[in-house]
Amino acid sequence: EAGVAQSPRYKIIEKRQSVAFWCNPISGHATLYWYQQILGQGPKLLIQFQNNGVVDDSQLPKDRFSAERLKGVDSTLKIQPAKLEDSAVYLCASSQDSNYGYTFGSGTRLTVV
Amino acid sequence: EDQVTQSPEALRLQEGESSSLNCSYTVSGLRGLFWYRQDPGKGPEFLFTLYSAGEEKEKERLKATLTKKESFLHITAPKPEDSATYLCAVQVPGNQFYFGTGTSLTVIP
Repeated sequence: EAGVAQSPRYKIIEKRQSVAFWCNPISGHATLYWYQQILGQGPKLLIQFQNNGVVDDSQLPKDRFSAERLKGVDSTLKIQPAKLEDSAVYLCASSQDSNYGYTFGSGTRLTVV
Repeated sequence: EDQVTQSPEALRLQEGESSSLNCSYTVSGLRGLFWYRQDPGKGPEFLFTLYSAGEEKEKERLKATLTKKESFLHITAPKPEDSATYLCAVQVPGNQFYFGTGTSLTVIP
């Protein structure tokens, strides 16, 4: 079974620039999550999709962050404009059945300078 | 407010020295408690799910237990390859997950 694919692995941008991350979940997984993990902290949920609908985006800073999941498969997370405090690892995860937890991708490490 | 606290923040063990990691939680309606392992530069890897007080799960040198207020991850005779950050997460109604900040475990040969 192929894992959750994320790209790019690393990204360095200047503040006020925009950036986009891509995620391809495990085939057949209906639920997709984007998490932000700041160094030394646990992951924090940004947005949860069920198929192509948003289930929870209560912690997504909507003035600068947006996410979409077209056709209920791949997803993109965008930040525009980026701030220094957005420096973190952005993790994508998917699940078929939440009783078995998520499968995480390796993440995209974003550095905003 | 839902809260998950892990302790200690960091733990150094000699190879073969058993110990326990703690995850205490305050949530409104626990649906499940999850343990993950995270290696540097990688996403968390699922280890266990526990659903009710008294439940235990084992995998190799790891054993997870659950009470009404906390969970323990026991590591028996650890090896250097067990070095990682161990995260716990609680699942609440609505399928939301809240993660703790993790325990960084280092096992010295």
